[in-house]
Amino acid sequence: QVQLLQSGAEVKRPGASVKVSCKASGYNFIISNLHWVRQAPGQRLEWMGWINAGNGITKYSEEFKGRVTMTRDTAATTGYMELRSLRYEDTAVYYCARPPVGAKGMDVWGQGTTVTVSS
Amino acid sequence: QSALTQPASVSGSPGQSITISCTGTSSDVGDYNHVSWYQQHPGKAPKLMIYDVSERPSGVSNRFSGSKSGNTASLTISGLQAEDEADYYCNSYTSSSAYVFGSGTRVTVL
Repeated sequence: QVQLLQSGAEVKRPGASVKVSCKASGYNFIISNLHWVRQAPGQRLEWMGWINAGNGITKYSEEFKGRVTMTRDTAATTGYMELRSLRYEDTAVYYCARPPVGAKGMDVWGQGTTVTVSS
Repeated sequence: QSALTQPASVSGSPGQSITISCTGTSSDVGDYNHVSWYQQHPGKAPKLMIYDVSERPSGVSNRFSGSKSGNTASLTISGLQAEDEADYYCNSYTSSSAYVFGSGTRVTVL
């Protein structure tokens, strides 16, 4: 079945970078976009951006532009999200998600990766 | 991009119907039929309940329905059940080719 499997929890110092991976299986990876969404403790969902897994074109939220890079490895059917210059307020659960076929939204979600920024 | 506006909480008794609103602008909700709704239980990943305003994914109960009028989208849950108690978020595509989530609504089953 369609599945997104994310990398494990990370603890980082302020100012460091983190790279989260999202391994896709059960569908044709290159015909879909991959969204990244985060949720700080007790806060709302926040859309970070998406990458077209076929051609690598990205669109980032203005909130994260300049600090985030989304990439993909088509051979490994894996997407990546790197966030730089980490701040305490970047402590959150980070999710990858795939749209419904032929539609917009986020249908299949990864299990989430907890990133903790702490000194 | 500011978050779409949702009520902080909505409650209802089992069997009742409730409606959650999601208000945006003419640059997002009002301009595109790409509003989706997500259910999130504590500690779990969100689950897609409605996409493209009123489409229901396979496996989602027909007690969940969506609609839109102008800059406001709505999610209605009919025949409220205990398992519907969760946080709900709306999301819309925007004129910047981006997406924006709502502020979130806590649904309580009395």
